[in-house]
Amino acid sequence: GENVEQHPSTLSVQEGDSAVIKCTYSDSASNYFPWYKQELGKGPQLIIDIRSNVGEKKDQRIAVTLNKTAKHFSLHITETQPEDSAVYFCAASYSSNEKLTFGTGTRLTIIP
Amino acid sequence: GAGVSQSPSNKVTEKGKDVELRCDPISGHTALYWYRQSLGQGLEFLIYFQGNSAPDKSGLPSDRFSAERTGGSVSTLTIQRTQQEDSAVYLCASSRRGGQPQHFGDGTRLSIL
Repeated sequence: GENVEQHPSTLSVQEGDSAVIKCTYSDSASNYFPWYKQELGKGPQLIIDIRSNVGEKKDQRIAVTLNKTAKHFSLHITETQPEDSAVYFCAASYSSNEKLTFGTGTRLTIIP
Repeated sequence: GAGVSQSPSNKVTEKGKDVELRCDPISGHTALYWYRQSLGQGLEFLIYFQGNSAPDKSGLPSDRFSAERTGGSVSTLTIQRTQQEDSAVYLCASSRRGGQPQHFGDGTRLSIL
């Protein structure tokens, strides 16, 4: 089955700087890659997603890039703000099997 | 326009008891998923419903775990004869149909004493 690895496990960034979180996946059949943000006591919230026919997608300060050949994808957050502090999860799935396989999470701390 | 609703938000029970967890998906979402989030295991898939049928229940950890969905809407996850290792946050997600973005509820935090 699919295996998703995520790095780093923790990340501290000065407010206003950029943060990058990286994930790799094992199954070349995977074609959908969402990113979730989870705050304490809440469920994961979808922040951006990308499909395998696209190399990059942006939504304001958030962007995701996908390299299908290398089987890795990354989340980029620019101009970080204190409210960006949370745990971020990457995930992967493929259309013949709808379940999401998650990475182990990155705890992002924005230092004011 | 409510999101995914789960109840109860917290459940404490004694080892050996049965528990039922409920999920109300977003209106109109035909696909429904259960996941489990625990400290040691991260976020793990349990079961997927499309309508009332479950084409993928490969993540259910043992036969003590079962789930059903009725009327293409509400789902219940039942854990029989609970064990301490069942302690976790149980998350439900729904999507318009399989393969579409999944939206999560805030989960049920289950503690087995």
